[in-house]
Amino acid sequence: GIQVEQSPPDLILQEGANSTLRCNFSDSVNNLQWFHQNPWGQLINLFYIPSGTKQNGRLSATTVATERYSLLYISSSQTTDSGVYFCAVYDHAGNNRKLIWGLGTSLAVNP
Amino acid sequence: GAVVSQHPSRVICKSGTSVKIECRSLDFQATTMFWYRQFPKQSLMLMATSNEGSKATYEQGVEKDKFLINHASLTLSTLTVTSAHPEDSSFYICRPGTSGRYEQYFGPGTRLTVT
Repeated sequence: GIQVEQSPPDLILQEGANSTLRCNFSDSVNNLQWFHQNPWGQLINLFYIPSGTKQNGRLSATTVATERYSLLYISSSQTTDSGVYFCAVYDHAGNNRKLIWGLGTSLAVNP
Repeated sequence: GAVVSQHPSRVICKSGTSVKIECRSLDFQATTMFWYRQFPKQSLMLMATSNEGSKATYEQGVEKDKFLINHASLTLSTLTVTSAHPEDSSFYICRPGTSGRYEQYFGPGTRLTVT
């Protein structure tokens, strides 16, 4: 099955710093999503980005599907950006659209 | 975005008892519900997939007699942890299937502690 790897596993930033999170996947995919899990456990969609680049405020994401990776950029980080960032792709097999998850990048933004 | 609720948000129970977790999709109908378990500092692990009105499909290694899933309506699915043990302590999250949409919405999670 598809493997999803994320790096770095942990990241500590000072408020205002920029960062890049990476997601590699082992097979061609036609879908990829980035999620943020806040410190209380709530998961939120950030981007659906099978290819190309999208931006939403201080966050942007780029997926290069032919090279099997995606990047999440966080600019001018804030303490509220803390939490775990996951990327996930859909499993091709079957019809129930299971998500295959990376292990996440745990981000701590210090004031 | 869609609203998904879970109840309870946090529960502590004694070993051997059963706990029911409810997941509701409040503003759309979910024919499919995904149930996940997440241990501390780990990723989400899919436990089972349920379809409204039919039996759930469990992932390998998940005991179907221990984790009972009911998906009786398009807006409500329940997960019952039967005869809970301390190793069942975890964070349980539901995700309604969003057919035709790319965005995914998750319940806020239920933190189960078995003493």
